[in-house]
Amino acid sequence: DAGVTQSPTHLIKTRGQQVTLRCSPKSGHDTVSWYQQALGQGPQFIFQYYEEEERQRGNFPDRFSGHQFPNYSSELNVNALWLGDSALYLCASSLGTGNTGELFFGEGSRLTVL
Amino acid sequence: AQSVSQHNHHVILSEAASLELGCNYSYGGTVNLFWYVQYPGQHLQLLLKYFSGDPLVKGIKGFEAEFIKSKFSFNLRKPSVQWSDTAEYFCAVRDLSGGSYIPTFGRGTSLIVHP
Repeated sequence: DAGVTQSPTHLIKTRGQQVTLRCSPKSGHDTVSWYQQALGQGPQFIFQYYEEEERQRGNFPDRFSGHQFPNYSSELNVNALWLGDSALYLCASSLGTGNTGELFFGEGSRLTVL
Repeated sequence: AQSVSQHNHHVILSEAASLELGCNYSYGGTVNLFWYVQYPGQHLQLLLKYFSGDPLVKGIKGFEAEFIKSKFSFNLRKPSVQWSDTAEYFCAVRDLSGGSYIPTFGRGTSLIVHP
């Protein structure tokens, strides 16, 4: 049973660039949440996608956007990167939006902005 | 919105020592509580959870946690740690009163167990 997979695992960008991160949820899951984990911090909620729509959003600027595809996979896009966006980006999947406490995480995409 | 405090940021123990990691959330109401663990090089995974009922919850690998509603706390315990328990531990709270169902995570506690 495939767990949550994320790509790429590591990437380096420069300030002002844009990045796209990808996530495939655990088999059978239809909801994807994205988290940002800065060094030494816990995961911070960015947004959640269900039925191809953004359902909830954390305290992140509009530079952070996403998409969910019909097969439930998801993308996180970040525009106009700045140094503070350097972090581990985690994707978590679950079944339905009401059960998001039981999350299954991927190993993350580590973004470094120079 | 809820906030979660994990007061112990770094804990170093010898094998067989007892472990207690603190977790407090900011205010009352109906909450679900979780502990997640991240072993070196691995993804975050659920260790245990509390939804309702018996406030003493048992999880995997001999871990347990006690929900004390009056103290807004959900401390994680293990009577005898092993070297393989070396990991990052994250407490998370989901506040059901707001209807968002999104868990808020603490900043984590790094546990190192010496053999």
